[in-house]
Amino acid sequence: ETGVTQSPTHLIKTRGQQVTLRCSSQSGHNTVSWYQQALGQGPQFIFQYYREEENGRGNFPPRFSGLQFPNYSSELNVNALELDDSALYLCASREWGGGNTGELFFGEGSRLTVL
Amino acid sequence: GESVGLHLPTLSVQEGDNSIINCAYSNSASDYFIWYKQESGKGPQFIIDIRSNMDKRQGQRVTVLLNKTVKHLSLQIAATQPGDSAVYFCAGPGGGADGLTFGKGTHLIIQP
Repeated sequence: ETGVTQSPTHLIKTRGQQVTLRCSSQSGHNTVSWYQQALGQGPQFIFQYYREEENGRGNFPPRFSGLQFPNYSSELNVNALELDDSALYLCASREWGGGNTGELFFGEGSRLTVL
Repeated sequence: GESVGLHLPTLSVQEGDNSIINCAYSNSASDYFIWYKQESGKGPQFIIDIRSNMDKRQGQRVTVLLNKTVKHLSLQIAATQPGDSAVYFCAGPGGGADGLTFGKGTHLIIQP
């Protein structure tokens, strides 16, 4: 059984650029969510995908968007990067259980630095 | 929305002692809480969760206590080991849809 894997592990972008981060969910998991973790802070919920559709979103602007593919893998896209977007981006997967979060399994994250 | 916070940013304990990490929450309607452990350079790892209809739940060397009267929960780690060094987060509902709201975390330091 493979865990949640993310790529790339580290990347540097400049302000105004766009970035795509990728995530492969744990085997058997059909729900993927993304979190942003600034340095010294707890993770903040960005959005969740189930059956290839976004079905929940936190307090993030539309320039944060995502995709989920038939194999349940996912992408996080951020347009018009700002300095404050510098953070660790975490992907988490679980088996959908309605209102029950179940156990979230996190990847090790993609560290984004915006210059 | 939910607000979940930790009482202390850093907790230092002697190896072998018990550790207690505290957390306060604001939304009395929250029906579950989760504790995560995050080691340096890694993603958060699930430790234990508790539903609001419970006061206590035990796992392997860990116990979570929930006091709904004062909206407080704690994580107790028995016989703390060097491998317990990490940042511990409490989390609850309210991040948006099924998203979680995390506190800022408590950094647990184990003294030899």
